[in-house]
Amino acid sequence: SFDLTQPPSVSVSPGQTATITCSGDKLGDEFASWYQQRPGQSPVLIIFQDDKRPSGIPERFSGSNSGTTATLTITGTQPMDEADYYCQAWDSNTAVVFGGGTRLTVL
Amino acid sequence: QVQLVQSGPEVKKPGASMRVSCKASAYTFTDYGITWVRQAPGQGLEYMGWINPQNGYTKYGQKFQGRVTMTTETSTSTAYMELRSLRSDDTATYYCARLLSGGPLDYWGQGSLVTVSS
Repeated sequence: SFDLTQPPSVSVSPGQTATITCSGDKLGDEFASWYQQRPGQSPVLIIFQDDKRPSGIPERFSGSNSGTTATLTITGTQPMDEADYYCQAWDSNTAVVFGGGTRLTVL
Repeated sequence: QVQLVQSGPEVKKPGASMRVSCKASAYTFTDYGITWVRQAPGQGLEYMGWINPQNGYTKYGQKFQGRVTMTTETSTSTAYMELRSLRSDDTATYYCARLLSGGPLDYWGQGSLVTVSS
């Protein structure tokens, strides 16, 4: 299995670009997904297969994955984007692996 | 629309067992895996395991092996997760989620809060 490491917190001003990273030794060899979780709610899939958005997810959310780092980018961050974000990958031994989560603060 | 509806909150004593259900609707239940994830209060997401409803294949997280059993009932499109020998640190919200090929979890249940307390 492998570990995924995220920064515990990221802050961004409204309208600016937020970048959240996810690092893991074998991450570039796997597809990465990202989830948004608002307080008291279930996680929501916002990026899958590195850079694809499910239907209904705003275009300001984008993803990339190369080498050992996957990145979630929120362009033109809105106050409603304040939430916890989790990266996730699939490992052939462990199956699902989550990062520790990043709290995004919009201030 | 796809829905996963979970059972309600429970309070359990240490040493007891818990079972959470997850009823799927609006898709062919046997076409997708079901993953179980838990989240302790104020903590991150923790993978517990997944089950293939088509053939009953299971893959449990190492931390839970020997203490968890995941099953499905295809006639009712319901998945179950049983966790035994409960401890206070098993207090968490337990989620089921639909598993797509390659790992993404595209639909999640509303969560089931299980509190373990004497």
